[in-house]
Amino acid sequence: GEKVEQHESTLSVREGDSAVINCTYTDTASSYFPWYKQEAGKSLHFVIDIRSNVDRKQSQRLIVLLDKKAKRFSLHITATQPEDSAIYFCAASDTNAYKVIFGKGTHLHVLP
Amino acid sequence: ETAVFQTPNYHVTQVGNEVSFNCKQTLGHDTMYWYKQDSKKLLKIMFSYNNKQLIVNETVPRRFSPQSSDKAHLNLRIKSVEPEDSAVYLCASIQQGANSDYTFGSGTRLLVI
Repeated sequence: GEKVEQHESTLSVREGDSAVINCTYTDTASSYFPWYKQEAGKSLHFVIDIRSNVDRKQSQRLIVLLDKKAKRFSLHITATQPEDSAIYFCAASDTNAYKVIFGKGTHLHVLP
Repeated sequence: ETAVFQTPNYHVTQVGNEVSFNCKQTLGHDTMYWYKQDSKKLLKIMFSYNNKQLIVNETVPRRFSPQSSDKAHLNLRIKSVEPEDSAVYLCASIQQGANSDYTFGSGTRLLVI
């Protein structure tokens, strides 16, 4: 079945540095790639997404890149802050988004 | 307030009991989901409904059954709970084709003892 692999299970960075989380997917029909953040004891909330008609999208300190040939997408968090510490999930789905497949999550620790 | 609302927040029950979780969204979305998040934070889709119609039904035990009265409600019933059902159950919704993102509820944490 369709899979989304999230390569970093844990990532530690110094405050102010950049963090990069990488994901790959298997379903060639995937065209929608959202990212979600889960803080300790809380639910998931949307942070940014990218669709297959573009290869880069930025929202403030967040940048997502998409390489459709390699079936790879990544989240870049620049100038990290302590409040960025959380679990980040990548996901992929087709246009209908009836079935969004999530990666296993990356625990990001931003160290002071 | 527009959001995805789940009740209860937390439920403790014994093996073999029946439980029901409620989910309501006031976002006007047409598609709703149930996900299970285990202790390792892995997220697995269980069911997806679009306008009260079942769209996705992943391989889950038969004791799990979704119930949708209208597109704003998607409840989850577990007939006879087992210890491995202990998890956080997350409800989410989305509007198809509207460039909207998933909105998640706050989750229902189930503990089976």
